[in-house]
Amino acid sequence: QKEVEQNSGPLSVPEGAIASLNCTYSDRGSQSFFWYRQYSGKSPELIMFIYSNGDKEDGRFTAQLNKASQYVSLLIRDSQPSDSATYLCAVMGSGGSNYKLTFGKGTLLTVNP
Amino acid sequence: GAGVSQSPSNKVTEKGKDVELRCDPISGHTALYWYRQSLGQGLEFLIYFQGNSAPDKSGLPSDRFSAERTGGSVSTLTIQRTQQEDSAVYLCASSLWSGYTFGSGTRLTVV
Repeated sequence: QKEVEQNSGPLSVPEGAIASLNCTYSDRGSQSFFWYRQYSGKSPELIMFIYSNGDKEDGRFTAQLNKASQYVSLLIRDSQPSDSATYLCAVMGSGGSNYKLTFGKGTLLTVNP
Repeated sequence: GAGVSQSPSNKVTEKGKDVELRCDPISGHTALYWYRQSLGQGLEFLIYFQGNSAPDKSGLPSDRFSAERTGGSVSTLTIQRTQQEDSAVYLCASSLWSGYTFGSGTRLTVV
């Protein structure tokens, strides 16, 4: 059973701070990694994806990937109250399952004004 | 359409009844997925359709669950003889590459 682990939180940060969300995964063959944001009562929304080791930046969001450590993270700079949501890490399967995303249970982020 | 459309948005059913949930994917998306999200739980994979290939049904929790996809587009998830543990949000997603786009989900409550 391939697993994706996230700290459930809640993670609470003040407005303007950097929020750091972490994820580890068990499938060493995985090549594609995704971060989804889910507001309460809403469906998940894709915000970032990363395939290569290192950092990928998109506006206030930076995804970081370290395949050797099987670790993915999401940094949110200048956090805003509107960033308050559950963040889901998702990992694409490898080999014959290279179409199936396995999701972590999510980290609840609260940004305090 | 512009997004993945699911219906109904909410469904309350009595234990033992059958229910059908519908998903209309984004036009041109060849892959379609059903996931289930229970309170406090992560997203649980149910089934995957890709073009005319045989679906991956490995996530269906019991033989009371079935799904079909007609004409490579609309999909229906059917749950027979519903049980209280079936209560969850059922999410459909479609994709053209590896990033999924989710619909707004169907919240199923079995009473």
